[in-house]
Amino acid sequence: DTEVTQTPKHLVMGMTNKKSLKCEQHMGHRAMYWYKQKAKKPPELMFVYSYEKLSINESVPSRFSPECPNSSLLNLHLHALQPEDSALYLCASSPLGDYGYTFGSGTRLTVV
Amino acid sequence: SQQGEEDPQALSIQEGENATMNCSYKTSINNLQWYRQNSGRGLVHLILIRSNEREKHSGRLRVTLDTSKKSSSLLITASRAADTASYFCATDGAGNTGKLIFGQGTTLQVKP
Repeated sequence: DTEVTQTPKHLVMGMTNKKSLKCEQHMGHRAMYWYKQKAKKPPELMFVYSYEKLSINESVPSRFSPECPNSSLLNLHLHALQPEDSALYLCASSPLGDYGYTFGSGTRLTVV
Repeated sequence: SQQGEEDPQALSIQEGENATMNCSYKTSINNLQWYRQNSGRGLVHLILIRSNEREKHSGRLRVTLDTSKKSSSLLITASRAADTASYFCATDGAGNTGKLIFGQGTTLQVKP
């Protein structure tokens, strides 16, 4: 299995809702990442997990809460989001060291 | 903040021609990577070049790295319509920080 699987592919949520994005990989990668991408912009790093521990938080607002239950799963819990949080959320994984990342196809989130 | 600047922002060529994209970055790096993204979905890793390497090839791709100028280039030879996509360079900072930071990207259109 050489894929990163993200669910759901599309999500529409109200500003008072709580929802979660899920990411799964079975390549044995020990680093996992969340990126946010707005239209016609590059991906922006949000969080990095290394050996299931949060190692980098790029000053992301607390309405985004990451969780890494085990080495194969990465969740992003969403609560009280704003319309400007609408974006494509990308999950990626990699071995540690000089290796490329494997990205999922993303969750397209719309906050209404 | 984004690390890299890419040039040109957009490139339109005929099938069979070569496409060259340039990337500049600001800080010391461990490696530099190139990714392709089709239609705003997931990114695909193309090639990684380490800071002590100057040139790397993979199929129709050729990447160069000049650490003294903090710049890299991606050459796609004999382009095909299927190469139409956005291309991003991304830098992994010195010390294996796990922070892969993307440049602004080049949108390539290959006309059949």
